[in-house]
Amino acid sequence: IAGITQAPTSQILAAGRRMTLRCTQDMRHNAMYWYRQDLGLGLRLIHYSNTAGTTGKGEVPDGYSVSRANTDDFPLTLASAVPSQTSVYFCASSDSVSSSYNEQFFGPGTRLTVL
Amino acid sequence: ELKVEQNPLFLSMQEGKNYTIYCNYSTTSDRLYWYRQDPGKSLESLFVLLSNGAVKQEGRLMASLDTKARLSTLHITAAVHDLSATYFCAVLGVNRDDKIIFGKGTRLHILP
Repeated sequence: IAGITQAPTSQILAAGRRMTLRCTQDMRHNAMYWYRQDLGLGLRLIHYSNTAGTTGKGEVPDGYSVSRANTDDFPLTLASAVPSQTSVYFCASSDSVSSSYNEQFFGPGTRLTVL
Repeated sequence: ELKVEQNPLFLSMQEGKNYTIYCNYSTTSDRLYWYRQDPGKSLESLFVLLSNGAVKQEGRLMASLDTKARLSTLHITAAVHDLSATYFCAVLGVNRDDKIIFGKGTRLHILP
């Protein structure tokens, strides 16, 4: 059982290019999340999905889009990358926002550098 | 708007010493989480605290929650080098539209 996988592990990207970060979970969790982690700023929520077919905006959604076609996959797309999107991106999932715990489980992260 | 503040943000301590990390939050919450992150790694769940007065312990780490004071603490007893990591608290507000908000993290460095 892999839990949550992310791909790629790392990527260097030219500014202006389009990039999709992939996230797949095998825990049948309803909710999925994308965070970015920057030094001194902690983790900031980009987008989330409470269940397949629905998505919502987090704290820092500009420049990013997501889709949730099924339970397992939650890709994050940068339509036209800019250097300020250089960061480490974490995908996470949780059972349900209404469950008692709603404990989040995190993927290994994608280190993205935009030049 | 829910805000989460941790302090200290950086802590260097000797092995064998005790210390406490504090997590304050600004609005009512009924769920608080502590995570550990090793350098270059992902986040690992340590504790989930669900009610006022909740206390959980795992090895040398003990977490507690005071919902009236909007404060959680992570206490380290007789620190060892292996506990060196960054510790994050995260809080979920009571409204069902609320999302989990993370603190900036406390970078803990334990000197051998």
